[in-house]
Amino acid sequence: AQSVSQHNHHVILSEAASLELGCNYSYGGTVNLFWYVQYPGQHLQLLLKYFSGDPLVKGIKGFEAEFIKSKFSFNLRKPSVQWSDTAEYFCAVNTGFQKLVFGTGTRLLVSP
Amino acid sequence: DSGVTQTPKHLITATGQRVTLRCSPRSGDLSVYWYQQSLDQGLQFLIQYYNGEERAKGNILERFSAQQFPDLHSELNLSSLELGDSALYFCASSGDRGRPSTDTQYFGPGTRLTVL
Repeated sequence: AQSVSQHNHHVILSEAASLELGCNYSYGGTVNLFWYVQYPGQHLQLLLKYFSGDPLVKGIKGFEAEFIKSKFSFNLRKPSVQWSDTAEYFCAVNTGFQKLVFGTGTRLLVSP
Repeated sequence: DSGVTQTPKHLITATGQRVTLRCSPRSGDLSVYWYQQSLDQGLQFLIQYYNGEERAKGNILERFSAQQFPDLHSELNLSSLELGDSALYFCASSGDRGRPSTDTQYFGPGTRLTVL
């Protein structure tokens, strides 16, 4: 069965620091990849997605992610975080059966 | 705002009881998905409906059931509730516009269920 690993469970950064959150998946076939963000008390919002084409995907709020097929990875990056980026970030995989398989999430705390 | 609505926002009930959670998908979306988010299990896919028919099943307990109605809204029924069923239940919808593997799922605000 497909699975998604997010190795960083908690990340604490200062404002303006750069961010990289790891995401690895286990599935040998074609995948669609997503990053969702959940702000405190709110629902999941789509940050970005990768289906095909350019492996460097740009999303909302200055986030980007790079799909590296050989490493089964889809890491999320932002060059300079803000206090408002404090949230929980979920990586998810869709292998064509529609259901999303989520990682365990990474809680990001950005201190002002 | 994703366009997916869920009611109620919060639900507090006792063990052994039965509750119904409701979801209205985005306008035009045919698929509805249910997910459970709990501290120990994370975000888990429960079940998917497409245009009224069950399409995929995940880690859904036999005590739980769902349906999708002709107007495309969906209900998740949870019965014989246990303390461990306390969680956030999310509904998502997608368009399935001929390319199901590339349709994005948009999530509702969730229903927080507390079983006492």
